[in-house]
Amino acid sequence: DAKTTQPNSMESNEEEPVHLPCNHSTISGTDYIHWYRQLPSQGPEYVIHGLTSNVNNRMASLAIAEDRKSSTLILHRATLRDAAVYYCILRAPYNTDKLIFGTGTRLQVFP
Amino acid sequence: EAQVTQNPRYLITVTGKKLTVTCSQNMNHEYMSWYRQDPGLGLRQIYYSMNVEVTDKGDVPEGYKVSRKEKRNFPLILESPSPNQTSLYFCASSILTSGSYNEQFFGPGTRLTVL
Repeated sequence: DAKTTQPNSMESNEEEPVHLPCNHSTISGTDYIHWYRQLPSQGPEYVIHGLTSNVNNRMASLAIAEDRKSSTLILHRATLRDAAVYYCILRAPYNTDKLIFGTGTRLQVFP
Repeated sequence: EAQVTQNPRYLITVTGKKLTVTCSQNMNHEYMSWYRQDPGLGLRQIYYSMNVEVTDKGDVPEGYKVSRKEKRNFPLILESPSPNQTSLYFCASSILTSGSYNEQFFGPGTRLTVL
């Protein structure tokens, strides 16, 4: 399974945009990029996923580099509720649906 | 409300005393899985199930058993718990289609302490 690298922690002020980077230089051509987050004292929750094109949903945007060796999760206006650990995960198609979590990025949001 | 439930949420037990952590989902998902979360190691998969009566080992299955007799339930069984199984456990479920974009839904977690 391909590996991802994320910064251990990041900080943001409320209402500001946040860009969470992820490096995945060994990604294969068919791996999807998934993001999950884990709020304090809760189970992980799905945020967004993509393959090649940038993606948007109600929670966030995902920007994928043209060579697919990196991606960035964008929270357009951080709120206190966005304080969580964010995990970037690569998933091969037709696999056993296992999610391989790294240590993620702990995002702190200040009022 | 679509959800994955786990019981108990907190459990303190002693070495060797058999225990079961229940997991139930109300979304008619085929796929269910158990993970454990430990500091510095992230979440690791213990067992998973593709459907009723179909289970398989994940990355850290030693010391655990599972069963899938009904689609909605996927209990995790520790026949003889040991202190190294002290951890935070999560159950997850998802639909199972021929793609890798299936969102997994996680339960709230069970914090287990084995003395």
